[in-house]
Amino acid sequence: DQQVKQNSPSLSVQEGRISILNCDYTNSMFDYFLWYKKYPAEGPTFLISISSIKDKNEDGRFTVFLNKSAKHLSLHIVPSQPGDSAVYFCAASHTGGGNKLTFGTGTQLKVEL
Amino acid sequence: EAGVAQSPRYKIIEKRQSVAFWCNPISGHATLYWYQQILGQGPKLLIQFQNNGVVDDSQLPKDRFSAERLKGVDSTLKIQPAKLEDSAVYLCASSLVGGRLAGANVLTFGAGSRLTVL
Repeated sequence: DQQVKQNSPSLSVQEGRISILNCDYTNSMFDYFLWYKKYPAEGPTFLISISSIKDKNEDGRFTVFLNKSAKHLSLHIVPSQPGDSAVYFCAASHTGGGNKLTFGTGTQLKVEL
Repeated sequence: EAGVAQSPRYKIIEKRQSVAFWCNPISGHATLYWYQQILGQGPKLLIQFQNNGVVDDSQLPKDRFSAERLKGVDSTLKIQPAKLEDSAVYLCASSLVGGRLAGANVLTFGAGSRLTVL
């Protein structure tokens, strides 16, 4: 049972344009959402998060949007840079679940020159 | 601050052999996690420790996997005997807090230990 889904395995974007990565979840108990970035041969690194009491959180070039009614969140990167090329994982947790993270399958982002 | 340290980075074994992975979390992080990441999938939680106690091991295949966190600091994950389907990257992560404090649980991951079972 995949509770966090990233339906696009890959995404290719030109440098300077916007990258939009999508994530859907099924468990209505989730109340905290995170995005992690992973380069080859490295562990995932935390990028940005959002609580379920908000619908938007912004940090520099990165913005996460949360639509609770649709159980959908998205990560916007603008402008995209070649160094953003990585695998992006969406993750979710809920307070009653010990805050363990449930991850999606990841989206490989490639930013081309 | 120093990150989460893991060793070995790579290990190749034959099925039915045993293997152990070691993790040293960030100093002061009370919560430690072991995740398994199979190629093409997202990380899956195997076990979560709070200090030296187990919080969640519901997805740990206990017939072959074991983990301990003596003294509430570093941890080892053991597989015995290994199966072909255990080929994966084993990620260790730690966080300052766990439990019921929503939003406080940002995990910091190590680089992982890649296991290949032949």
